[in-house]
Amino acid sequence: GNSVTQMEGPVTLSEEAFLTINCTYTATGYPSLFWYVQYPGEGLQLLLKATKADDKGSNKGFEATYRKETTSFHLEKGSVQVSDSAVYFCALRMNTGFQKLVFGTGTRLLVSP
Amino acid sequence: DTGVSQDPRHKITKRGQNVTFRCDPISEHNRLYWYRQTLGQGPEFLTYFQNEAQLEKSRLLSDRFSAERPKGSFSTLEIQRTEQGDSAMYLCASSLEGDSDTQYFGPGTRLTVL
Repeated sequence: GNSVTQMEGPVTLSEEAFLTINCTYTATGYPSLFWYVQYPGEGLQLLLKATKADDKGSNKGFEATYRKETTSFHLEKGSVQVSDSAVYFCALRMNTGFQKLVFGTGTRLLVSP
Repeated sequence: DTGVSQDPRHKITKRGQNVTFRCDPISEHNRLYWYRQTLGQGPEFLTYFQNEAQLEKSRLLSDRFSAERPKGSFSTLEIQRTEQGDSAMYLCASSLEGDSDTQYFGPGTRLTVL
């Protein structure tokens, strides 16, 4: 079946450090890919998305590129802030048939001043 | 704010009791989804509505679970004879068919079964 694998956390960084959270997927076909973020005490929010190979999604300084050859969608940010501390979820959605999201287990990011 | 809303935000119940949760989607969204999230895991799909029709149910959704979406607006998720294993965060999401189908999530209902 379709699945998403994320690097385990927590990822602990100092403010202004470079962030990478790895995400790889397995799918029969060509899914759309998403990063959602869950801040403490809040619901899931869409951070960025990409719908086809080589697309780059970006938002709030975060970016991720859809790599079909490596089945990856790694999340990056050049300079993290304390306010970026949250849990990040990678997800896929197939573009044919039924549209449910399949999530990874999430990666907690902790940014210290 | 016209986002997805869920009620209640927290529910504590005793094993064997029935509980019902409500989800109000973004008003023009015709698709509605329920997910369940346990501690340390990502959300898992439970069921999906397009307008008032329930088109898909996960095998996670046992016979004790039932969901409805009368008139294609709000939705309810009922759990009968709750078990401790039902303790989780229940998330609702909605999307607009054709709008790249991006799913927007509500804040969730946290269920604790004692």
